[in-house]
Amino acid sequence: SAVISQKPSRDICQRGTSLTIQCQVDSQVTMMFWYRQQPGQSLTLIATANQGSEATYESGFVIDKFPISRPNLTFSTLTVSNMSPEDSSIYLCSVEDLGDGYTFGSGTRLTVV
Amino acid sequence: AQSVSQHNHHVILSEAASLELGCNYSYGGTVNLFWYVQYPGQHLQLLLKYFSGDPLVKGIKGFEAEFIKSKFSFNLRKPSVQWSDTAEYFCAVKGDNFNKFYFGSGTKLNVKP
Repeated sequence: SAVISQKPSRDICQRGTSLTIQCQVDSQVTMMFWYRQQPGQSLTLIATANQGSEATYESGFVIDKFPISRPNLTFSTLTVSNMSPEDSSIYLCSVEDLGDGYTFGSGTRLTVV
Repeated sequence: AQSVSQHNHHVILSEAASLELGCNYSYGGTVNLFWYVQYPGQHLQLLLKYFSGDPLVKGIKGFEAEFIKSKFSFNLRKPSVQWSDTAEYFCAVKGDNFNKFYFGSGTKLNVKP
């Protein structure tokens, strides 16, 4: 199955700033997914990132707040912009492993103070 | 809209007790079903999956799950839990006409030695 490297693993940020999270996959994948896992809650899909096109955002998530880049088939970034304490969460990237469901990165634990 | 329900939010068991975690989904079409586990401080890992065929699926570490189509259920079971099974367990579903996962809210399992 695919191996995903995600960084940073954690960060503490000041409100009003932005953080960019990187996700690197060891194989080429068509779609990459970005999830948020808020404290005590399940995973919520933020957006789907396809190479060469704009990301598709789920209801409640907008590009201005969570811009995504997908420059090639093995890499993507998610930026959390103009952060507030409500953005404190774990952010995960994921790819579909054909036949194995989805593989997840180790996550980025973000704390906004 | 599709949804996944995990009715047990927090389960506490003693070692050697039997485990059953409930998972129900709301989608009438063909589904792929998954159970993921998240050990403390670690990332999500696939425990087992169902795509088709035998509705009783065996996964890693002695876990199994049974797909009951008539009940829209995919309950996770283990005959005898160990302290090392302490983790959070997530049920997820992917349908044949939607290209993303829906996750349940998760069940925290605490196994007392």
